[in-house]
Amino acid sequence: TQLLEQSPQFLSIQEGENLTVYCNSSSVFSSLQWYRQEPGEGPVLLVTVVTGGEVKKLKRLTFQFGDARKDSSLHITAAQPGDTGLYLCAGALIDYKLSFGAGTTVTVRA
Amino acid sequence: GAGVSQSPRYKVAKRGQDVALRCDPISGHVSLFWYQQALGQGPEFLTYFQNEAQLDKSGLPSDRFFAERPEGSVSTLKIQRTQQEDSAVYLCASSLVRGEAFFGQGTRLTVV
Repeated sequence: TQLLEQSPQFLSIQEGENLTVYCNSSSVFSSLQWYRQEPGEGPVLLVTVVTGGEVKKLKRLTFQFGDARKDSSLHITAAQPGDTGLYLCAGALIDYKLSFGAGTTVTVRA
Repeated sequence: GAGVSQSPRYKVAKRGQDVALRCDPISGHVSLFWYQQALGQGPEFLTYFQNEAQLDKSGLPSDRFFAERPEGSVSTLKIQRTQQEDSAVYLCASSLVRGEAFFGQGTRLTVV
């Protein structure tokens, strides 16, 4: 059973469009991470959010941590084919143990 | 090395065979984790080491799974008497900062 629910499971959009991926839980996390994973590779850390209500921007990617530290969202502006991949959110309940969502597969068509 | 290195990248094992998967963490990272990722799923926690001490093995699916990190650096995940349900990608990660993990490319294990 995964503590984090991600939605949608799949997302296919045209280059230049915007997209948002959601990560929800009933548990409170001390921190939350977003990773991107490409086929045949391990997850690559994109960002860590720690404070409730925190917003972090990484070029065209915007990450938000919910006020109650139970949920998060990832917004991509003007998506490009290079953004294609599996996006995973992961929350730290105990400081060392990450609990992952099932992931959102994003496909950006040229 | 610059990142976490895992070997082999791919392993095909006959049912009942023992396998050993190796992980070389980022130099200086005291924390090391093993995760199992089934097809279409996120990684699931298996076990955690701080230096050579295995502090948490609550995610190991059965007593056929065993992990060690004898000198606090390289780690080995061993699976005895492999079964088809063991087929998955096994990911190793190391960490310096609480809650952040840097992953290797994984070992894809296929049990036939």
